[in-house]
Amino acid sequence: GNSVTQMEGPVTLSEEAFLTINCTYTATGYPSLFWYVQYPGEGLQLLLKATKADDKGSNKGFEATYRKETTSFHLEKGSVQVSDSAVYFCALSDRDSWGKFQFGAGTQVVVTP
Amino acid sequence: DADVTQTPRNRITKTGKRIMLECSQTKGHDRMYWYRQDPGLGLRLIYYSFDVKDINKGEISDGYSVSRQAQAKFSLSLESAIPNQTALYFCATSDSLADGDTQYFGPGTRLTVL
Repeated sequence: GNSVTQMEGPVTLSEEAFLTINCTYTATGYPSLFWYVQYPGEGLQLLLKATKADDKGSNKGFEATYRKETTSFHLEKGSVQVSDSAVYFCALSDRDSWGKFQFGAGTQVVVTP
Repeated sequence: DADVTQTPRNRITKTGKRIMLECSQTKGHDRMYWYRQDPGLGLRLIYYSFDVKDINKGEISDGYSVSRQAQAKFSLSLESAIPNQTALYFCATSDSLADGDTQYFGPGTRLTVL
């Protein structure tokens, strides 16, 4: 079956540091890949997505590239801010499974001033 | 106003009680989903509905039931709550005719079963 594996947290960074959160996936079909962000006390918000190999999703300074050869979709940001402190979820949607989502366990990111 | 709303936002109940969590959306989406979130486990799909007459079990449906009363409303029931159903519950929607791959989430309901 489909699965998503992402690095465990918490990841603690200083403001303006570089952030990488690793995400790898297993899928039998041709999935779309997503990063969602959950701020404290809130629901999940779509951060970015990519629907086919080599696509790059970007939003709010975050980027992730769909790498089919390594089955990866790593999230990066060049200079984090305290406001980026949140839990980040990698997810896939497999069209062969009628669009059902598979989520990773989430990675908590803590950015200190 | 929020596009996807959930009520209640917080609920504390006792073992054996029947609980209903409600979800409403104004996005006009046809698909709706219920997830539960547990620390370290991410989100797991409980039930999903692709239209009013289509209800499907997700990976952890035991102990839960759902009702799709209208395109905009999708309720989750716990017929006899047990402590290991203590979790954060999220409703989500998607539009199969547009960016059907993308799901939009409500703010969540924190349920505690004593």
